[in-house]
Amino acid sequence: DGGITQSPKYLFRKEGQNVTLSCEQNLNHDAMYWYRQDPGQGLRLIYYSQIVNDFQKGDIAEGYSVSREKKESFPLTVTSAQKNPTAFYLCASSSSPVSSYEQYFGPGTRLTVT
Amino acid sequence: QQQVKQSPQSLIVQKGGISIINCAYENTAFDYFPWYQQFPGKGPALLIAIRPDVSEKKEGRFTISFNKSAKQFSLHIMDSQPGDSATYFCAACRYSSASKIIFGSGTRLSIRP
Repeated sequence: DGGITQSPKYLFRKEGQNVTLSCEQNLNHDAMYWYRQDPGQGLRLIYYSQIVNDFQKGDIAEGYSVSREKKESFPLTVTSAQKNPTAFYLCASSSSPVSSYEQYFGPGTRLTVT
Repeated sequence: QQQVKQSPQSLIVQKGGISIINCAYENTAFDYFPWYQQFPGKGPALLIAIRPDVSEKKEGRFTISFNKSAKQFSLHIMDSQPGDSATYFCAACRYSSASKIIFGSGTRLSIRP
């Protein structure tokens, strides 16, 4: 069964703690993306990666970090520097950076920081 | 320049009716316009997409209408069903670029039985 896995589905953290969200895909896609979704707003791009060991900042990268050591994996770390981290986080992938419009999304992780 | 404006924010339609969601963009460099459907607690899924060389694209009950001169496009859902209740996002991007998709703010659609 091909797809994108995000874990966990719900995550709770105390303010000041770093937290890492997992994203794994077995679609053999080159490009991967992280989005943040807040109520009443569209998806906003945090980071994207077109190839292993390379990634670029999106619109709202401050307070986040990523790595892309393997093609299948693109973890996102929400650092204590992110001022408003509570949100729904979505990971996506596409077969190539050129056809980035055909993005396949994971089920998301809802992060709550108190 | 990079915004995609979507309306309405929420929409209630009777079963069997037509649901219409509108979007407008500013950047004329955009040349691909996908629509995504998202059910609660799930990630969005690509529903239908259009390029500006056509004015309309239809897939089943879903139709995109595109007005290049007005820089507007819309999604029509014919014979709306309760199973269509979801949040719909329009988006815009450059087809040949690795740059990001710009999403609208979403429309929460509810179909009343």
